[in-house]
Amino acid sequence: GDSVTQTEGPVTLSEGTSLTVNCSYETKQYPTLFWYVQYPGEGPQLLFKVPKANEKGSNRGFEATYNKEATSFHLQKASVQESDSAVYYCALGDWQGGRALIFGTGTTVSVSP
Amino acid sequence: NSKVIQTPRYLVKGQGQKAKMRCIPEKGHPVVFWYQQNKNNEFKFLINFQNQEVLQQIDMTEKRFSAECPSNSPCSLEIQSSEAGDSALYLCASSSGDEDTQYFGPGTRLLVL
Repeated sequence: GDSVTQTEGPVTLSEGTSLTVNCSYETKQYPTLFWYVQYPGEGPQLLFKVPKANEKGSNRGFEATYNKEATSFHLQKASVQESDSAVYYCALGDWQGGRALIFGTGTTVSVSP
Repeated sequence: NSKVIQTPRYLVKGQGQKAKMRCIPEKGHPVVFWYQQNKNNEFKFLINFQNQEVLQQIDMTEKRFSAECPSNSPCSLEIQSSEAGDSALYLCASSSGDEDTQYFGPGTRLLVL
């Protein structure tokens, strides 16, 4: 079945350093790929999504490229801030609406000032 | 920011008791999902609806869990006889159905003593 694997956390960084969270997926379909972020006490929020292979998504300085050949969708940010501390989830969706998302196990990122 | 409303935010029940939580999806979103997120941040899809009709549900949902999305009323998820293993964050998400982005509410955190 479909699956998503991402960097095991926690990832601890200092402000101003770069972040990479790896995400790999397995599917026989043509998925849309998502990054969600979850802050304590809240539900997951959409960071961005990329519906097509070889395209890049970005938001708030975060970016990821949908690499169909490598089945990867790594999240990157060049310079993190303390407010980026959260749990990040890579997720795999169907191009049709109405299907459940397949989430990775999440990567906890802690940024110290 | 998501406009999915979930109530209550916290729910404490004894084993064997009923636990009921509600969700109001974003306006204009006919597709509603329920997920269970455990303490290891793992997501488990439970059930989804399009308008009032069940699209998919897992076996667990067919036994002690029941859910509905009546017209002009909040959707609800109810556990008939709570068990300690049901302690988790229950997340409701909605989508337009035309595309696959899901928008999550803040969740209901259930603690079964």
